[in-house]
Amino acid sequence: DTGVSQDPRHKITKRGQNVTFRCDPISEHNRLYWYRQTLGQGPEFLTYFQNEAQLEKSRLLSDRFSAERPKGSFSTLEIQRTEQGDSAMYLCASSLSLYGNEQFFGPGTRLTVL
Amino acid sequence: GQQLNQSPQSMFIQEGEDVSMNCTSSSIFNTWLWYKQDPGEGPVLLIALYKAGELTSNGRLTAQFGITRKDSFLNISASIPSDVGIYFCAGQLSKLVFGQGTRLTINP
Repeated sequence: DTGVSQDPRHKITKRGQNVTFRCDPISEHNRLYWYRQTLGQGPEFLTYFQNEAQLEKSRLLSDRFSAERPKGSFSTLEIQRTEQGDSAMYLCASSLSLYGNEQFFGPGTRLTVL
Repeated sequence: GQQLNQSPQSMFIQEGEDVSMNCTSSSIFNTWLWYKQDPGEGPVLLIALYKAGELTSNGRLTAQFGITRKDSFLNISASIPSDVGIYFCAGQLSKLVFGQGTRLTINP
């Protein structure tokens, strides 16, 4: 399977703990995106990378959130000092910059903060 | 910020019926995309539209990019049980902006 993969699929944590999620994009895709989706809503843009450069960040991405894509391949999204309001599905997508508008999504990581 | 109004929010239909849903925006987009999402999974791309007025089909699905670039619709013909799910429209200038989804339920 050569689609976007995310790990873990589910994460339960206690408030105040740090969590890290990983995304592996489709291998030839140079753009990688992170979204957050809460129940009953569409995905909301958080940030995106072209190769290893982080080009745009949403105001939703507070200073407790950080994303990296060190070698332009996989990416990690870390949330520090988690809060109950961080509970959501975190989705990763990738695309080829030549066809940048066709974003392909991974299965998501569902975070529950107790 | 940019917002998309997607309607209807939910649909309850009989198997075999046709389905129509649409998205409108106060902003102009360069691209419209339609996705389907099953519970606990990520959205799956159904159709991408790049030009105003463009009409594109993918099997039983047909979508159009509105002439004003502020709207799009998706039609599903002859619905089948596997069409159940949540359908999202998304418009793009620099980043994707999603609608709130249309939940499709099919009565057997």
